[in-house]
Amino acid sequence: QSVLTQSPSVSGAPGQRVTISCTGSSSNIGADYAVHWYQQLPGTAPKLLIYGNTNRPSGVPDRFSGSKSGTSASLAITGLQAEDEADYYCQSYDSSLSGVVFGGGTKLTVL
Amino acid sequence: EVQLLESGGGLVQPGGSLRLSCAASGFTFSSYAMNWVRQAPGKGLEWVSAISGGGGDTYYADSVKGRFTISRDNSKNTLFLQMNSLRAEDTAVYYCAKDSSMNPYFMDVWGKGTTVTVSS
Repeated sequence: QSVLTQSPSVSGAPGQRVTISCTGSSSNIGADYAVHWYQQLPGTAPKLLIYGNTNRPSGVPDRFSGSKSGTSASLAITGLQAEDEADYYCQSYDSSLSGVVFGGGTKLTVL
Repeated sequence: EVQLLESGGGLVQPGGSLRLSCAASGFTFSSYAMNWVRQAPGKGLEWVSAISGGGGDTYYADSVKGRFTISRDNSKNTLFLQMNSLRAEDTAVYYCAKDSSMNPYFMDVWGKGTTVTVSS
């Protein structure tokens, strides 16, 4: 059971918009700790996608965007493409655990 | 180019020990915290441990506290994870990940991982 809760799966057709949610609590996201997102393509290491709730590293398309409100955060992907099919993980810090926490991951399927 | 190369994985019996290494290049190693993150077969990411840039502060997940020790040699740009009293549930791919700052925040560069299998 992960400290941050993500839906196990989401799907969308090419060109559509999908959102992936990440729900935490008052000791992590709700305590104003930033949320970061990673993309893991099949058989590869994770890659940073969004940092500090809303920021994209150089090279990440602006089709990817992040937001945060209260004890939750979201990753939105617009103009869905086949190469977006991957697992997506949110990450934050938890003050009760005094450590980094990940969500359980969401598998995105492009139909 | 920033690169991280893990090594030291393998097959070990329950109760045994293993030491993972991560060789870093392409950045000022001592200026950044470093992390170990693992992924059990078919499962999600689990943060294992982190160490501050200077090495003075260490952080552990409850699942490994007291069994694993993280350390770093800034003169050799190398990160380590000493794993003792290994259990079947420690079986995973272990990733070394560079943090974005001197203390743990987010991980901006990841290695390819090294596989640890705990089995008799």
